[in-house]
Amino acid sequence: NAGVMQNPRHLVRRRGQEARLRCSPMKGHSHVYWYRQLPEEGLKFMVYLQKENIIDESGMPKERFSAEFPKEGPSILRIQQVVRGDSAAYFCASSPSVDLVYEQYFGPGTRLTVT
Amino acid sequence: SQKIEQNSEALNIQEGKTATLTCNYTNYSPAYLQWYRQDPGRGPVFLLLIRENEKEKRKERLKVTFDTTLKQSLFHITASQPADSATYLCALGAGSYQLTFGKGTKLSVIP
Repeated sequence: NAGVMQNPRHLVRRRGQEARLRCSPMKGHSHVYWYRQLPEEGLKFMVYLQKENIIDESGMPKERFSAEFPKEGPSILRIQQVVRGDSAAYFCASSPSVDLVYEQYFGPGTRLTVT
Repeated sequence: SQKIEQNSEALNIQEGKTATLTCNYTNYSPAYLQWYRQDPGRGPVFLLLIRENEKEKRKERLKVTFDTTLKQSLFHITASQPADSATYLCALGAGSYQLTFGKGTKLSVIP
């Protein structure tokens, strides 16, 4: 059973470009969470999604950031018009059901560098 | 505001000794607390979960305590090995999914 997959592992974007980060949850998992880890900081919750629904986006910046988890395909975290402050590691996690949300399985992360 | 502090950024111990990592929190009433291991360039890996009504949890060489009065959790690795070298993250949860992480403690086990 493959773990949580994220791609790309490394992404370099110039200021003003768009970044699209992909996350495929573990097989059988329908709950996806995105976290951001800034240099020298702890992981910060961004958004929680279930298939086709955003459940909680309270940790996501109001502007330029969006997330989706379509019926088919991976979850996407999209950052428009990136700025240097967006440089960070972005981690996706998944869990199998609402009753088992306590344990989250993390992917390897996407390291975004904005130049 | 909520604050989580892990005792030190780095901890060096001799192989075979017990490593003890501390997680303190303020302005928070977690329903549970989790410990994760993170290796360089990798995502966190879940180790242990302890709920607010539990005092202690064990798993092989790992032991976690949770004192809601002191607002503190201790994470112990007994008979430490060089392979235990990693960054260990403390994470608090109040609801069913939103975790709040500490910055982590980087543990180095010296042969």
